[in-house]
Amino acid sequence: ELKVEQNPLFLSMQEGKNYTIYCNYSTTSDRLYWYRQDPGKSLESLFVLLSNGAVKQEGRLMASLDTKARLSTLHITAAVHDLSATYFCAVEVAGNMLTFGGGTRLMVKP
Amino acid sequence: DSGVTQTPKHLITATGQRVTLRCSPRSGDLSVYWYQQSLDQGLQFLIQYYNGEERAKGNILERFSAQQFPDLHSELNLSSLELGDSALYFCASSYFWQGGTDTQYFGPGTRLTVL
Repeated sequence: ELKVEQNPLFLSMQEGKNYTIYCNYSTTSDRLYWYRQDPGKSLESLFVLLSNGAVKQEGRLMASLDTKARLSTLHITAAVHDLSATYFCAVEVAGNMLTFGGGTRLMVKP
Repeated sequence: DSGVTQTPKHLITATGQRVTLRCSPRSGDLSVYWYQQSLDQGLQFLIQYYNGEERAKGNILERFSAQQFPDLHSELNLSSLELGDSALYFCASSYFWQGGTDTQYFGPGTRLTVL
């Protein structure tokens, strides 16, 4: 059974600081997704990582994938309050089914 | 706005009852997925349909069933409801059911409360 683990589960950081969220998964997969969820809202797609070594950046967020280590990271640069949300990684298995991590709740304080 | 619509937004019902949740995928998307989000179980995949046919099943209870209609909208039926079924139910859609850079786009969700 595929397991997807994120850490930390909760992250409180100051504006302007950098931090990294980690996503580990237990079986081989070449596709990994990052989603953002605001409280009470739906999931918004951030990144799709398709191959080993893939790196994608959008604004202050950068995601990378190491399929050999079964690890993806979401790096936050110079955090701002608007980035406060819960971030999920999801690993694709057969048939495009997604298995989600437990989520990382990010709170950025001024 | 992802283009995926779900109705109703909120649903409050009693234990033992049956409800139907509805989802309309993005225009052109052939695959529909259902997910359940709860505090104790997190986000869990329930079931996937592609062009009217069931393609994959996850942790879906026998009391739950789904279908996808010829116009590609989908319904998730939950019966003999229990308190533990209270959750946020998301529908997602994508164009391909397998392979490619096929992101799943999520609807706004239906919040089900079972009293």
